Amino acid sequence: RKEVEQDPGPFNVPEGATVAFNCTYSNSASQSFFWYRQDCRKEPKLLMSVYSSGNEDGRFTAQLNRASQYISLLIRDSKLSDSATYLCVVNIGTGANNLFFGTGTRLTVIP
Amino acid sequence: DGGITQSPKYLFRKEGQNVTLSCEQNLNHDAMYWYRQDPGQGLRLIYYSQIVNDFQKGDIAEGYSVSREKKESFPLTVTSAQKNPTAFYLCASRGPGNNQPQHFGDGTRLSIL
Repeated sequence: RKEVEQDPGPFNVPEGATVAFNCTYSNSASQSFFWYRQDCRKEPKLLMSVYSSGNEDGRFTAQLNRASQYISLLIRDSKLSDSATYLCVVNIGTGANNLFFGTGTRLTVIP
Repeated sequence: DGGITQSPKYLFRKEGQNVTLSCEQNLNHDAMYWYRQDPGQGLRLIYYSQIVNDFQKGDIAEGYSVSREKKESFPLTVTSAQKNPTAFYLCASRGPGNNQPQHFGDGTRLSIL
């Protein structure tokens, strides 16, 4: 079983819609969680960090469910510019090599 | 501005040739990483370094080599032993502590001539 799993999508949603993705992780000792946004042929950029139950930044909300071992990303009032791939990253244990990447969820916001 | 700089943005390799990808950071981060990303795929770890003069193999180190002579710099060499080098290469660095995120450079796209 992979350490981090994401539904690859694609999620195609109309402009203005609310959309949510989940990311499941296998290790209950995971300590911190990150959502990155990656545009086509570009580098991943940090969107949100989650260290406790959740985090909110404008239209974006990340929530952590430790009991069920998943983290979600909710995007409200989707914009065309939200179209991207969203990567979930989970920190497990200690040391420099303790970050595990999901393969990403592709979102397309349609006019 | 602080950040991570990768160069070149595009690189072409001939058969049997070694090429070196540059990664420089001025964030004063100890940990640095190299990833490979193939079209439609996730990131795969090639090498990482926790501190100057130290580096460790990642999941797909074969055909690659690195050095870490300075804190700011972590160059990646794609050797002729890497038979399928065409990919998007990403360098990242990370601040101290176990719960810090990684920050990425803008990548180098390598193709075979």
